[in-house]
Amino acid sequence: QSVLTQPPSASGTPGQRVTISCSGSSSNIGSNYIYWYQQLPETAPKLLIYMTNQRPSGVPDRFSGSKSGTSASLAISGLRSEDEADYYCAAWDDSVNGYWMFGGGTKLTVL
Amino acid sequence: QVQLQQWGAGLLKPSETLSLTCAIYGGSFSGYYWSWIRQPLGKGPEWIGEINQSGSTHYNPSLKSRVTISVDTSKNQFSLKLSSVTAADTAVYYCAPSPGGMDVWGQGTTVTVSS
Repeated sequence: QSVLTQPPSASGTPGQRVTISCSGSSSNIGSNYIYWYQQLPETAPKLLIYMTNQRPSGVPDRFSGSKSGTSASLAISGLRSEDEADYYCAAWDDSVNGYWMFGGGTKLTVL
Repeated sequence: QVQLQQWGAGLLKPSETLSLTCAIYGGSFSGYYWSWIRQPLGKGPEWIGEINQSGSTHYNPSLKSRVTISVDTSKNQFSLKLSSVTAADTAVYYCAPSPGGMDVWGQGTTVTVSS
């Protein structure tokens, strides 16, 4: 079973711009939308980005998503202390009758 | 405002069957697939499977042999059964619309498998 690969950690200082990558394959990222979630401790994941680059109502425009080939990225500009959280990408995979997969997650630390 | 409420047994012995139900309030099944997602402590989410109003399902290939997801549209509920559980199935289990749907989650159920 293929997976979506994320770096385990990322960091930045307040005000900086950081990016988190998500690497997949032609059967998932390469051919389908990407979703990004933010998870704070002891809470359910919260949707940050849908359909690769769309923000739900209420999500600041500091968060943006993009995709190129079989890789996707989440960018956070103007980093704030409250952005310290775990971030997960998700995508539909077209193989084996189709299924959703999540990345392993990236722990973002605001220094 | 759509809300999800889930319930089911939180402590199981190895080889037993996990059973959880999720009720949808303030909305209906139509137009979305509804998922079960689990998250072991300290790890990322793992998608288990999904179902729509018509009962069409998709399952995680790694769990497919043990998973059954069903729907009761008359009660606006859907359910998860996971058979032959082991300690590796210990996790917080969530119900939620599949990615691409609304961003609303059940409150989570901690399921522990221990002898």
